[in-house]
Amino acid sequence: AQTVTQSQPEMSVQEAETVTLSCTYDTSESNYYLFWYKQPPSRQMILVIRQEAYKQQNATENRFSVNFQKAAKSFSLKISDSQLGDTAMYFCAFMKRGSQGNLIFGKGTKLSVKP
Amino acid sequence: AAGVIQSPRHLIKEKRETATLKCYPIPRHDTVYWYQQGPGQDPQFLISFYEKMQSDKGSIPDRFSAQQFSDYHSELNMSSLELGDSALYFCASSFPRMLQGRVDGYTFGSGTRLTVV
Repeated sequence: AQTVTQSQPEMSVQEAETVTLSCTYDTSESNYYLFWYKQPPSRQMILVIRQEAYKQQNATENRFSVNFQKAAKSFSLKISDSQLGDTAMYFCAFMKRGSQGNLIFGKGTKLSVKP
Repeated sequence: AAGVIQSPRHLIKEKRETATLKCYPIPRHDTVYWYQQGPGQDPQFLISFYEKMQSDKGSIPDRFSAQQFSDYHSELNMSSLELGDSALYFCASSFPRMLQGRVDGYTFGSGTRLTVV
């Protein structure tokens, strides 16, 4: 069975600074996808970034980038130039390739961006 | 762009009552997923449908059932409600399977907040 662990229940960062959220996972699968989802107070789950495990290059989406270490089963999210609108719950999620539904989430990290 | 539509947004029910939650996927999305997120918890997968057939099943109680209709919308039926069923229920949809070589992740709706009193 796959598990996803987010060891930081809460984090805070000053506006315009950089913050890194950590995520580790455990799986015996070799082909899978990893995601970071953002859940603001509006509660909508918004996809931030995704990574295919077979790709060595780290995914980047504007101010968001990941550090994917497959051997270490680590998938951290770096947010650069943090903005007040980044305040949200962030969930790391795993999906086995070929699976059609089962996103496995971590417990989440509550990020607060302070002015 | 059209998003995943869930209704109602909020629902209050008494114990032992029945609730029906609805989900309208993004047009041309043929797969629908249901997740349950308890207070302060991560979302837990309940069930999914592909082309109107159940495709995967997670931790869905026997008191719950779901189906996907010919227009691809889905309904989650919950009977004999318990206090512990109070949660945020998310629906998500995804692209057709033939395109799954490129996984964008799912698009989630805004959820239905169910409160059982």
